[in-house]
Amino acid sequence: DIQMTQSPSSVSASVGDRVTITCRASQGISSWLAWYQQKPGKAPKLLIYAASSLQSGVPSRFSGSGSGTDFTLTISSLQPEDFATYYCQQANSFPLAFGGGTKVEIK
Amino acid sequence: EVQLVESGGGLVQPGGSLRLSCAASGFTFSNYWMHWVRQAPGKGLVWVARIDSDGSSTSHADSVKGRFTISRDNAKNTLYLQMNSLRAEDTAVYYCARDRAYSGYDIDYWGQGTLVTVSS
Repeated sequence: DIQMTQSPSSVSASVGDRVTITCRASQGISSWLAWYQQKPGKAPKLLIYAASSLQSGVPSRFSGSGSGTDFTLTISSLQPEDFATYYCQQANSFPLAFGGGTKVEIK
Repeated sequence: EVQLVESGGGLVQPGGSLRLSCAASGFTFSNYWMHWVRQAPGKGLVWVARIDSDGSSTSHADSVKGRFTISRDNAKNTLYLQMNSLRAEDTAVYYCARDRAYSGYDIDYWGQGTLVTVSS
């Protein structure tokens, strides 16, 4: 089974900051990687699929990169509504696996 | 508008059973693979099970294999999760979710979730 490791587990940042979250797969998954945003008490929301493709309706300040085992989610200029927890997910094979999450907090 | 509405959660004793339902609308349900994903209180997301578009193929996480069964009724646009031999560690919010259905197995729509609490 593929394991996903996210870092950091939390990050404190200010509005306007650039934030980068990394995700590592325990084996190669090509570009089959998704990123989700989850706010407290809400369902996750798909941000990025296929490592770098922006889901419809998602602001362009979100971007993804990487392939193989190492991936990155970048928020170019953090907005107040972006304070949330972010999860990566390998979309290559079953069982699907999520990273442990990265909580983006207000500095 | 795509909508996924879960129901059937609640409090159940260890060893008990529960069946979750997910009513789908706003899309052609029979064209999409579907998933169940759970989240224990204060914890991360964990994939539970998936089913293909006509229900002929399923897979389950090892942690629930032999106890949980995913199924669907395309005539009723409804997804199910039958949960037997429930344990305290199954306590979680259970989300019904739609596979994006192109390449890769990612999820583009999620329900609001239903809480299952396993406790005596």
